[in-house]
Amino acid sequence: AQKITQTQPGMFVQEKEAVTLDCTYDTSDQSYGLFWYKQPSSGEMIFLIYQGSYDEQNATEGRYSLNFQKARKSANLVISASQLGDSAMYFCAMRETYYGGSQGNLIFGKGTKLSVKP
Amino acid sequence: DGGITQSPKYLFRKEGQNVTLSCEQNLNHDAMYWYRQDPGQGLRLIYYSQIVNDFQKGDIAEGYSVSREKKESFPLTVTSAQKNPTAFYLCASSPTPDSYEQYFGPGTRLTVT
Repeated sequence: AQKITQTQPGMFVQEKEAVTLDCTYDTSDQSYGLFWYKQPSSGEMIFLIYQGSYDEQNATEGRYSLNFQKARKSANLVISASQLGDSAMYFCAMRETYYGGSQGNLIFGKGTKLSVKP
Repeated sequence: DGGITQSPKYLFRKEGQNVTLSCEQNLNHDAMYWYRQDPGQGLRLIYYSQIVNDFQKGDIAEGYSVSREKKESFPLTVTSAQKNPTAFYLCASSPTPDSYEQYFGPGTRLTVT
């Protein structure tokens, strides 16, 4: 069965510094996608970044990058140059891709609360 | 502006009453989803719909019901059979069932006493 593990319930980072949020996953499938979402205190889920299991390059989106280590089944999120507005919950999620391209359901981890200190 | 709306933001009900949560999207997306979030937890899938007039159970469908009579609307009914209905409910949509990205609404916080 699929599983997402985020071992850091909470993290602190100084403004303008980089921070890494950990995510490990468990799946027996070869084809899957990994996602990171941000949830501010207002509650909406904001998509940040996506990594396909066959993508050879680590995904990057602005200040966000995904450190994908397939053999270790880890998909850590790196936020560079942290800003006060980055303070939020961050969720790692996974979705399997079935034969023919259809997608399985999104499975979420329990999240990491990031607090950026001025 | 295109997006997903959920109303109301906060909802209070007495135990034993059914309650319906609204989700509307004007993104012309085929697929829609309902998730439940409990404190300190990630999201769990309740129901999803890949096309109008069709929907499938997710991981925690017991005590919930949905309908998809129109492409833009996917209401969720929390029935009195749901043992622990107090939670944060998020609706999402994606352009097609196979799109990797899901777009989320602002959520409804339901409190049942």
